[in-house]
Amino acid sequence: GENVEQHPSTLSVQEGDSAVIKCTYSDSASNYFPWYKQELGKRPQLIIDIRSNVGEKKDQRIAVTLNKTAKHFSLHITETQPEDSAVYFCAASLYNNNDMRFGAGTRLTVKP
Amino acid sequence: NAGVTQTPKFRILKIGQSMTLQCTQDMNHNYMYWYRQDPGMGLKLIYYSVGAGITDKGEVPNGYNVSRSTTEDFPLRLELAAPSQTSVYFCASSYQYRALSGNEQFFGPGTRLTVL
Repeated sequence: GENVEQHPSTLSVQEGDSAVIKCTYSDSASNYFPWYKQELGKRPQLIIDIRSNVGEKKDQRIAVTLNKTAKHFSLHITETQPEDSAVYFCAASLYNNNDMRFGAGTRLTVKP
Repeated sequence: NAGVTQTPKFRILKIGQSMTLQCTQDMNHNYMYWYRQDPGMGLKLIYYSVGAGITDKGEVPNGYNVSRSTTEDFPLRLELAAPSQTSVYFCASSYQYRALSGNEQFFGPGTRLTVL
């Protein structure tokens, strides 16, 4: 089955700096890669996703890049703000298969 | 819309007890899921359902059972609680994959379960 690894486990940045979180996946058949944000004590919420026919996707300060050959994808947050502080999870699956595998998460802290 | 709701929010069980975690969604989603989240870890899929009457095992199904008699409800049953089942349980729902909206899963608020 699919195995997703996520790095780093914790990340601390100054407000205004950029943050990058990386994930690798094992199953070359996976073609759907979402990112979820989970604030302390809250439920996970989707922030951005990408399919394998696209190399990059942007939504305001958030972007995701995908390298299918290397089987890794990354989340980029620019101009970080304190409200970006949360745990971020990457995941991988087939786009029409609901057996989604999540990474272990990255705790991002943005210091004012 | 209330979205995805779960009850109870917290529960403490003794080893060997049983309980049912309730999950309801009012978004008319055909897909529903149960995950567990251990401290400092990601989400692991326990069971999922693609529609009423259909359920499938996920990554960690042992010790759990589910049923899906209606589109709205997807209860998770623990028959013989063990300390290894101490975790936060999240229910989620989604539409079948859509080209524009992808596979976004909407999560409930979670149930924190402790087995002593």
